[in-house]
Amino acid sequence: GAGVSQSPSNKVTEKGKDVELRCDPISGHTALYWYRQSLGQGLEFLIYFQGNSAPDKSGLPSDRFSAERTGGSVSTLTIQRTQQEDSAVYLCASSRDRGTYEQYFGPGTRLTVT
Amino acid sequence: DQQVKQNSPSLSVQEGRISILNCDYTNSMFDYFLWYKKYPAEGPTFLISISSIKDKNEDGRFTVFLNKSAKHLSLHIVPSQPGDSAVYFCAASENAGNMLTFGGGTRLMVKP
Repeated sequence: GAGVSQSPSNKVTEKGKDVELRCDPISGHTALYWYRQSLGQGLEFLIYFQGNSAPDKSGLPSDRFSAERTGGSVSTLTIQRTQQEDSAVYLCASSRDRGTYEQYFGPGTRLTVT
Repeated sequence: DQQVKQNSPSLSVQEGRISILNCDYTNSMFDYFLWYKKYPAEGPTFLISISSIKDKNEDGRFTVFLNKSAKHLSLHIVPSQPGDSAVYFCAASENAGNMLTFGGGTRLMVKP
């Protein structure tokens, strides 16, 4: 497909386990963003990549959260030792380049920590 | 500290009428504003945007108005259709390529 894809679509995990969420951006888009939406809330910024570099990690809520991007394409968001408050929909977006404002979102991964 | 606020959590309008969704912001450094539409279990879809140097942008049934002095923007949908029923998010950015700051969303229900 031509859009942003994310996997898995749903993930249920036990408290204390690690999870990995994957994002495939639109082909050719150099900028990639992770956001999360907790129940009843707006979207909260987590981290931004330009190419493989992350110039803005200011939104990561704790050191249990990390992300990487390889080959200027796929990105993985890792949450270690998950907590119940990590339950949310994790959304990935991509943008054509650093000079573009419009971001295009994937369908999200719904994470439930039990 | 919410820099972007959508004070109406929900709005109900009749099909064919105008829908007006409002958004307020506090950060005067924002230079670009966007509206996204979100259906359940889907990611937000980009709808329309406006630069801070403009006060109006129109795209078909959708028009966004920006009042910089009031730090207020609004999205007008005319005429409203049942398929427009969704959650609408207002977002703002300080510079191209930077993160978007989102409001809490407004749920629009268009009744046939």
